[in-house]
Amino acid sequence: GENVEQHPSTLSVQEGDSAVIKCTYSDSASNYFPWYKQELGKGPQLIIDIRSNVGEKKDQRIAVTLNKTAKHFSLHITETQPEDSAVYFCAAVNDYKLSFGAGTTVTVRA
Amino acid sequence: DAGVIQSPRHEVTEMGQEVTLRCKPISGHNSLFWYRQTMMRGLELLIYFNNNVPIDDSGMPEDRFSAKMPNASFSTLKIQPSEPRDSAVYFCAVSGEWGDTQYFGPGTRLTVL
Repeated sequence: GENVEQHPSTLSVQEGDSAVIKCTYSDSASNYFPWYKQELGKGPQLIIDIRSNVGEKKDQRIAVTLNKTAKHFSLHITETQPEDSAVYFCAAVNDYKLSFGAGTTVTVRA
Repeated sequence: DAGVIQSPRHEVTEMGQEVTLRCKPISGHNSLFWYRQTMMRGLELLIYFNNNVPIDDSGMPEDRFSAKMPNASFSTLKIQPSEPRDSAVYFCAVSGEWGDTQYFGPGTRLTVL
C-alpha cells in the first residue's frame, strides 16, 4: 500500500516568515495530493490540492509543488499569521484511498 | 466542515455499551467515508460507501464495528460492545463523483471508560 512520510513533525516560525512542509510517497499510482489543516477540536479542512499533471499550484499565501519523478510534494505558507497555527496533513490519493502523512504541528510566534 | 453534520459531538460511555455515531451529509455527494483518528495511528479509513453501497470495509477493526447507509443523507457507525481501545475521534467525510476530494465533518470524540 501507499506510505506517506511527512517532515518536520513540528515547526515553529516567527510571524511573517515562511513555513515549508515536505512529504514523500511510495506508490507511483497516486495521482492526487490534497493538504489539510486541522485546528483543535475540528475536522481536517482541505486548504489546497494538486493533481499529478500539475507541478505547482498557488492560492494566495499557500502554494504546493509536486515532483512526480522524485515522488515528493511540499506545502509552502508565506507571510505566516497566528491563525496559521494548526496541524497540517499531506495526503496521497489513489482512486478513493487517501493515505495521510503523520502531520506537522505548526506554531506561529507573534 | 463542508455541510457534514455529525452527532453526537462528544460521547462518553462505559465498556460493554453500544455506541451509535451518526453522519448527515449534504446532498450531491456520491461517496461517504468513516475515519478514526488517534494519536498512535493517525487517521485511518474504516469504511467507504459509494451511492449508499459499502465498497471497502477492510479498515473496520473487527466484528464489533458495523456501518450502514440506508439513504444518501444518513449513515451510522455502530460499536457493540464498546471497549476502552475504541476511544478516538471518528470522522465522517464526503466526496463527489471522483471520490478523491474529501470533505470532513467536525467529528465525534468517543471516550469509552
